Amino acid sequence: SYELTQPPSVSMSPGQTARITCSGDALPEKYVSWYQQRPGQAPILVIKKDTERPSGIPERFSGSTSGTRATLTISGVQAEDEGEYYCQSADSSGTRVFGGGTKLTVL
Amino acid sequence: QVQLVESGGGLVKSGGSLRLSCAASGFTFSDYYMSWIRQAPGKGLEWVSHISTSSTYISYAEYVEGRFTISRDNAKNSLFLQLNSLRVEDTAVYYCARDLRGTCSGGSCAAPFDFWGQGTLVTVSS
Repeated sequence: SYELTQPPSVSMSPGQTARITCSGDALPEKYVSWYQQRPGQAPILVIKKDTERPSGIPERFSGSTSGTRATLTISGVQAEDEGEYYCQSADSSGTRVFGGGTKLTVL
Repeated sequence: QVQLVESGGGLVKSGGSLRLSCAASGFTFSDYYMSWIRQAPGKGLEWVSHISTSSTYISYAEYVEGRFTISRDNAKNSLFLQLNSLRVEDTAVYYCARDLRGTCSGGSCAAPFDFWGQGTLVTVSS
């Protein structure tokens, strides 16, 4: 089955730039979305179609792709950004798939 | 504003059944695909099933095919998931989510889920 690979954890100090990666063989052909999940809460869509930021999402969140890797960048990390981040795409049949998640810790 | 409220979760024995519901408000429910996504305790997100606007197109993840049934009632702005033959490994928080699949076309489509409910916990004991 198709897999999206994320690093388990990333640690940053406030104000630094956090980059969370997502790797998958089909990413050159399929859009990627990103979700933030704070502890005990439901996921929130923060990036769709590789680079688009939904209404209400702060400008410090941005997305990019290069080949088989997608990157979520959080510029000027804040304490409120701490949580789990998931990438999501689809396999060749269109079945949606999530990455394993990356825990962002703001030191 | 968009609101999705799940209900129906609980504790059930292996082999048992549950029916989950999701009440939607704040948008034209009948215009959107809807999905169920689950999250086992301490684990990541797993897509479970989606249903098209008029229930014409339905799809399931392999591991629930034949056991779970998704449905919707557009007149009541409600989404449902019937869970049968439950297994211990089905223990999870089940989220309903608004699915942008219907707005997505072309080979590059990997539609996101733009709004999620707070989830309902299903616990299956042995």
